[in-house]
Amino acid sequence: DGGITQSPKYLFRKEGQNVTLSCEQNLNHDAMYWYRQDPGQGLRLIYYSQIVNDFQKGDIAEGYSVSREKKESFPLTVTSAQKNPTAFYLCASSLVGFGSLPNYGYTFGSGTRLTVV
Amino acid sequence: AQSVAQPEDQVNVAEGNPLTVKCTYSVSGNPYLFWYVQYPNRGLQFLLKYITGDNLVKGSYGFEAEFNKSQTSFHLKKPSALVSDSALYFCAVRSSGNTGKLIFGQGTTLQVKP
Repeated sequence: DGGITQSPKYLFRKEGQNVTLSCEQNLNHDAMYWYRQDPGQGLRLIYYSQIVNDFQKGDIAEGYSVSREKKESFPLTVTSAQKNPTAFYLCASSLVGFGSLPNYGYTFGSGTRLTVV
Repeated sequence: AQSVAQPEDQVNVAEGNPLTVKCTYSVSGNPYLFWYVQYPNRGLQFLLKYITGDNLVKGSYGFEAEFNKSQTSFHLKKPSALVSDSALYFCAVRSSGNTGKLIFGQGTTLQVKP
């Protein structure tokens, strides 16, 4: 079955440590996205990529970094510069130009819950 | 600025009653509007989408949404709520341009009581 896989499901980070969240898709989607979810704040876009080796900052990119070396993979690194990283992180993918396709939206992974300890 | 607003943090409804979850939007040009559902500790699942045409859009699990251009609204509805519909619901609008970005509302928790 095609899908999008995020790992790990739970992740604990110590102060000053960088951690990397994995996101892999086998849907042949060109576009991939990272969102952060905090209670009562909805989803906020961190980074997105529409093509391999290219990505753009979203609304809250500070303290995060990404790479897009392969079409299938879009890992997110939470750096020590991110002062409040505890949140639920969601990765999504889509076809470029999905907007005009009926019954088509993002496909989401099941998320990674990151906690600072 | 493009935005989506869900004015209710929580909606409570009795099982078997109709439900409405409200959404209003602000976007330049013709909007592409979405509804997603999220169950605890899971990703979001696509429910339905408005592109153009019929203002009443039918989606998964018996949900539908009504697009109202004059009121810039896209309310989610279901004629008869189920306890299993209890979840967090997000409205989203596609950002203008070709970025494919979705802008999400803050979410509305739907609680259906037996």
